[in-house]
Amino acid sequence: EDQVTQSPEALRLQEGESSSLNCSYTVSGLRGLFWYRQDPGKGPEFLFTLYSAGEEKEKERLKATLTKKESFLHITAPKPEDSATYLCAVQPGMNTGFQKLVFGTGTRLLVSP
Amino acid sequence: NAGVTQTPKFQVLKTGQSMTLQCAQDMNHEYMSWYRQDPGMGLRLIHYSVGAGITDQGEVPNGYNVSRSTTEDFPLRLLSAAPSQTSVYFCASSLHPTSGRNTQYFGPGTRLTVL
Repeated sequence: EDQVTQSPEALRLQEGESSSLNCSYTVSGLRGLFWYRQDPGKGPEFLFTLYSAGEEKEKERLKATLTKKESFLHITAPKPEDSATYLCAVQPGMNTGFQKLVFGTGTRLLVSP
Repeated sequence: NAGVTQTPKFQVLKTGQSMTLQCAQDMNHEYMSWYRQDPGMGLRLIHYSVGAGITDQGEVPNGYNVSRSTTEDFPLRLLSAAPSQTSVYFCASSLHPTSGRNTQYFGPGTRLTVL
């Protein structure tokens, strides 16, 4: 069964304190791994798509990496405005699984000034 | 581009009432989908469509109907609302799920409460 597990559930950082969020997955053929940011009361906002092991993508203070079993979202010198829930999702590639995204439950990040 | 839009933002229903959640996109995306988000659970796929006139069920389709008469619109219908359908509903779209451009973009959501 396709499954995504995110850790930690919640993370509290001081401004400037770098850290990483983890997304572990089991999937029948990976078509893509996606990171989204979700602010309270809003829809998920797209951050990155990763397609193959070894791939990395960066955007401002965020960097996403991918291996065959997990992905990391590295946050360098975070600011309070980075506070949000970060969602990881995988798109299976086998059979009809490509029609859906399988989501983790997210990591709630709070960055204090 | 407005992207993916959803109406209404909030809705309260009584058990047994019906309603339609609206979703529209202006990006000429072939693929559209509906998810629900519940506390402690990841977003779960309700129904999806790979093009006008083509729809199929996701993992939690019971109690919901969809249709896709145009590329732009993908409404979700609740025929007889139940308290278990209290949730936040998100519509998403992508160029095509099997292409390299398969990133799904989400709307702002509809928060539904069924009493």
